[in-house]
Amino acid sequence: EAEVAQSPRYKITEKSQAVAFWCDPISGHATLYWYRQILGQGPELLVQFQDESVVDDSQLPKDRFSAERLKGVDSTLKIQPAELGDSAMYLCASSRTGSPNTGELFFGEGSRLTVL
Amino acid sequence: AQTVTQSQPEMSVQEAETVTLSCTYDTSENNYYLFWYKQPPSRQMILVIRQEAYKQQNATENRFSVNFQKAAKSFSLKISDSQLGDTAMYFCAFILTGTASKLTFGTGTRLQVTL
Repeated sequence: EAEVAQSPRYKITEKSQAVAFWCDPISGHATLYWYRQILGQGPELLVQFQDESVVDDSQLPKDRFSAERLKGVDSTLKIQPAELGDSAMYLCASSRTGSPNTGELFFGEGSRLTVL
Repeated sequence: AQTVTQSQPEMSVQEAETVTLSCTYDTSENNYYLFWYKQPPSRQMILVIRQEAYKQQNATENRFSVNFQKAAKSFSLKISDSQLGDTAMYFCAFILTGTASKLTFGTGTRLQVTL
């Protein structure tokens, strides 16, 4: 069964360092999402791509976060410099069509970031 | 802005029993979808069940069913014949119809199924 692949699963870094997360969505899924999930809270959308274009990045802290999906397939989320408050699970998800409204997002296992 | 509220941070149920998880939401719109997602420990989140707001009939998926009360803006999840594998975080989520909308999650309910 096809899955959303994410790496690394775990990342420990010191504050002010740069960190990057990678996501490979299910083949053929046009829409890709990056969510941040702080412990004890629900996922919060950081950025949404439709193919290679950003559809929504209103909650992305653009002074330190960047995301790209250059060829409309896999994606990278970068944080530079990392801050203590960035410690969280970073979830990648994809969906089948351009419309997300069926609500069925397919999630990866996430990348857990700890900033010391 | 749409909000989703889950007022039960943690719940526990014995195996084979029935449990109901609560969710309320707030929107001024009329066309939307509601969902329950399950996040098992150290595993990826998966969709459990979906409800279209225009449908009066409550959605059912095997042992999972919902009680959708549109006027009350309530959307609870009932798990029947609970199994150990149901142990997980459960998130209620909401999305408006329309391509520009985004999925909004509640804070989750941690369900523990015990022997």
